[in-house]
Amino acid sequence: SQTIHQWPATLVQPVGSPLSLECTVEGTSNPNLYWYRQAAGRGLQLLFYSVGIGQISSEVPQNLSASRPQDRQFILSSKKLLLSDSGFYLCAWSMTGAGEAFFGQGTRLTVV
Amino acid sequence: ELKVEQNPLFLSMQEGKNYTIYCNYSTTSDRLYWYRQDPGKSLESLFVLLSNGAVKQEGRLMASLDTKARLSTLHITAAVHDLSATYFCAVDMNYGGSQGNLIFGKGTKLSVKP
Repeated sequence: SQTIHQWPATLVQPVGSPLSLECTVEGTSNPNLYWYRQAAGRGLQLLFYSVGIGQISSEVPQNLSASRPQDRQFILSSKKLLLSDSGFYLCAWSMTGAGEAFFGQGTRLTVV
Repeated sequence: ELKVEQNPLFLSMQEGKNYTIYCNYSTTSDRLYWYRQDPGKSLESLFVLLSNGAVKQEGRLMASLDTKARLSTLHITAAVHDLSATYFCAVDMNYGGSQGNLIFGKGTKLSVKP
């Protein structure tokens, strides 16, 4: 069966510091991978998606970047965090051509 | 631009009552998904609706899809406290393409009270 791992679960970082969140998927190959952000009390916003190694599409202009160095690894990064980057970050995967997404446990990021 | 609208956004129910959450979307899609989110937790997939007229049921929840009306409903029967959560609908914006990018509604926060 497929599983998705996301870490860390909680992170408190000062403004201006770098960020690296990692997500890995097991039990499948060539998944579509996604990063979503959920601001407090709000819905989900798609930040990045990837259909293959090295292929990243960005949905919104922002202070963040994403990379996919391996087939089942997806990384969310920032060189300098802003206060507005605080939120709940969710990694997700889906089968190619299928829409149903399966979510990781999320990372609650607080920028102070 | 695909828009997904849920209503109501907040719902306070008494145990034992029935209610329906609505999800409207603005463009053609035959794929709609319902998710549940408990406070501070991730999203759990509830239902996958892949065709017009699709109906899925799990316990006290039943979801349906009308692609002609661009409407999905999530019906709650005889609510119990354990159903308290936020429910999201999501529509596949790239239907037929290589990636399944989901556009989410803002969520309906359900609170079931004794």
